[in-house]
Formats: sequence, C-alpha cells, structure tokens
Amino acid sequence: DQQVKQNSPSLSVQEGRISILNCDYTNSMFDYFLWYKKYPAEGPTFLISISSIKDKNEDGRFTVFLNKSAKHLSLHIVPSQPGDSAVYFCAARGNTGGFKTIFGAGTRLFVKA
Amino acid sequence: NAGVTQTPKFQVLKTGQSMTLQCAQDMNHNSMYWYRQDPGMGLRLIYYSASEGTTDKGEVPNGYNVSRLNKREFSLRLESAAPSQTSVYFCASRTGGEKLFFGSGTQLSVL
Repeated sequence: DQQVKQNSPSLSVQEGRISILNCDYTNSMFDYFLWYKKYPAEGPTFLISISSIKDKNEDGRFTVFLNKSAKHLSLHIVPSQPGDSAVYFCAARGNTGGFKTIFGAGTRLFVKA
Repeated sequence: NAGVTQTPKFQVLKTGQSMTLQCAQDMNHNSMYWYRQDPGMGLRLIYYSASEGTTDKGEVPNGYNVSRLNKREFSLRLESAAPSQTSVYFCASRTGGEKLFFGSGTQLSVL
C-alpha cells in the first residue's frame, strides 16, 4: 500500500512556463512533506519542504502547497528552466518510529528550450 | 566536504553470492538510512538506524541485514543475493531536521 503517490510518471513543459508536480498521501500522521530532485547517476538532493501546520512554503522559483483536507501537495516551479529537467520525488516524514521518510515513485520533468 | 560516501559505486554479483555495501557520513548525523530505487517504485526504505546502537526494519527488509558500526558508518549486507535485488542502493543520513542527505548510490546487478 503506497502511502505517498505521484500519479504522473512524466511531465513536459516549455522553458519559461510553470511546472506543476502533484503528490497525494494517505497517512495523516506525516508531519513534514518534502521534495527532492534527482539527476542521473547522482543521489537525490533536498529541494524544499513544508510543515504539516502550514499550507505554503516558497523558496525562489519553487513553491510547495499543502492541502491537508485533501491529503494533497504540489510543487510549482516558475519560471521553468532547462536545468530543472530531472526526476522529482515527493516524500513525507512520519513523526514517530524513527521519523522514517517515505517516498513517492517520482515524476520525470522535461523542460524544453 | 565529503557528506555521505558509498562504496562501491558499481557491483555485479552472481545469484547466491554475498556482499556488503558500505556507507559513511562525516556530518555527525544521528540517523542513517538505506533505500533502494527501482523503476516505477521510487525510493523504498530497507532499514534505518535512528541512532547509534539501534536498527529497525523499513518497508522492504527481506533479504538484507544491516550494521550500525559506529556513529559514522552504516553497512547493508546481502547474505545470498537474488536477481530481485538488482537495484540502485542509496544511503542517507539526517540530523535533527527533516531533510535527508544522500550518497551518490551503488548500482548492483545480480545475475
């Protein structure tokens, strides 16, 4: 049973436009939600996070929105750049049991120049 | 600043062989984790160590064992490798905050 779901395996966006990556979760006990970015042959790197008590967090071109009632979060990238082409993983951290972080399957973003 | 270092980067095994994946972090982090990445499955937690001296199972622990050797090092052992364990393995560490720091991965093929 997947606790964190990313239903879009891939997304293609034109440079300069907005990229919206979506994520759904099932466990209401998660206390932090995070996005990681991964380039080929590298480990994932942290991008942005949001606490479960907030509904928005912004960092430069990246904004994460959290809708707790819908158990849904999204990552907005504005404007999108070719260097943003990567796999994006949505993740959620539990507040018990070693604070395990559970990941979604990932969305591959292609930003076309 | 090395961060999280994994060895080896690549490994090919025959079914039934054993091996240990090594991971070390130099950030004085308390918690360490082993994940595997498979196409369409994302990153799945194998084992974790919340602090030195403790280890616990994650989502997919079968076929693996771990050792938290000290605060810096957390190894993952495959006692009898199977083709289903062909994957990319990532080690990660975390301090008190919410984000994980990952190594660059070990690509393992079991024939």
